[in-house]
Amino acid sequence: AQSVAQPEDQVNVAEGNPLTVKCTYSVSGNPYLFWYVQYPNRGLQFLLKYITGDNLVKGSYGFEAEFNKSQTSFHLKKPSALVSDSALYFCAVRDQGSGAGSYQLTFGKGTKLSVIP
Amino acid sequence: NAGVTQTPKFRVLKTGQSMTLLCAQDMNHEYMYWYRQDPGMGLRLIHYSVGEGTTAKGEVPDGYNVSRLKKQNFLLGLESAAPSQTSVYFCASSRTGGNTEAFFGQGTRLTVV
Repeated sequence: AQSVAQPEDQVNVAEGNPLTVKCTYSVSGNPYLFWYVQYPNRGLQFLLKYITGDNLVKGSYGFEAEFNKSQTSFHLKKPSALVSDSALYFCAVRDQGSGAGSYQLTFGKGTKLSVIP
Repeated sequence: NAGVTQTPKFRVLKTGQSMTLLCAQDMNHEYMYWYRQDPGMGLRLIHYSVGEGTTAKGEVPDGYNVSRLKKQNFLLGLESAAPSQTSVYFCASSRTGGNTEAFFGQGTRLTVV
């Protein structure tokens, strides 16, 4: 079964500082990996995804994520945090192989990011 | 530019009542999903569909049924609501599986008393 772990329930960072939100995954095959953001009382919005190739993926609003196959990680990063980045962030995975895992999109429990002015 | 639309946005049910949540997407996506979001639990997949007329169980299917009679609609039914089904429900759709991202609706906040 595929799974995603986000080890930090909350991350606090000062405005202007770099931020990292951690994610590790487990799949039987190779992964497709996604990051989503959720603002209060809203649905999830897609930020970026890793398919194959370059391990550094760039996405919306200045976010990027680094895929590390040996560590099975896909950490979300941003060089300079904004107060408006404060939200709930979710990592998700699909298996590239066949079977139910290639259909299902499995999410982590989410990390609350607070950017302090 | 509607995307994924969920109806209703809020609902309060009494224990034992039934209801249907409607999800509609206008992106011609093949795959559709129903998730529930609970504090500290993240998003958990209830049921999903890989095409019109198909449905499959996800991680937490008990107490729910679904139907996908039309490609653009995915219905989630609660036959006999229980307080444990108090949650925020999200519908999502994606073009296919694999590397395609999912698009989410705004959510339905359901309270069962």
